[in-house]
Amino acid sequence: DQQVKQNSPSLSVQEGRISILNCDYTNSMFDYFLWYKKYPAEGPTFLISISSIKDKNEDGRFTVFLNKSAKHLSLHIVPSQPGDSAVYFCAAGLYKFYFGSGTKLNVKP
Amino acid sequence: DVKVTQSSRYLVKRTGEKVFLECVQDMDHENMFWYRQDPGLGLRLIYFSYDVKMKEKGDIPEGYSVSREKKERFSLILESASTNQTSMYLCASRPVQGHEQYFGPGTRLTVT
Repeated sequence: DQQVKQNSPSLSVQEGRISILNCDYTNSMFDYFLWYKKYPAEGPTFLISISSIKDKNEDGRFTVFLNKSAKHLSLHIVPSQPGDSAVYFCAAGLYKFYFGSGTKLNVKP
Repeated sequence: DVKVTQSSRYLVKRTGEKVFLECVQDMDHENMFWYRQDPGLGLRLIYFSYDVKMKEKGDIPEGYSVSREKKERFSLILESASTNQTSMYLCASRPVQGHEQYFGPGTRLTVT
């Protein structure tokens, strides 16, 4: 059974609007959470992370929110740009990390 | 910049062949990982290594083995390739003090 789930396989957003990508996890012992972005024919690249002692981390247009009681994290991209179109993976764990199945984001010009 | 390279971008092998996938990182990272990526399943950990000659099984080690003779190199071995091992294989490295992993570009393996 998957320990990290991304229930939306795809998301389409207009340029300039907000993109919200969601991720759920099952293990309350996980203490670190990351988001990666993946373009076709490339490996995933690190985007932003958050530790379990925080509930929000912001880096430019990207903000990650963590709700530990709900075992849920989300990635907000504001404003969305066409170059953000990619597959986004969330990952959660301790020393070993589990990845979700990814959400393909399409930002329309 | 951290660089993780993988020996092949595309590979086609026959059922029963022995397959070697090589991964090299240039940042002196202690930890290295092998994942496979399949549609709808995300990245699943096959094996990881936290030091030279050390290895630990991930979530799906069956049918695979690994070798880490040097710190910068981590090899994934398919002893006898099968069609269900057709997949995208991703290698990653990570420093011991850190959570972020650095990925290679991937090897698309097709077993016929």
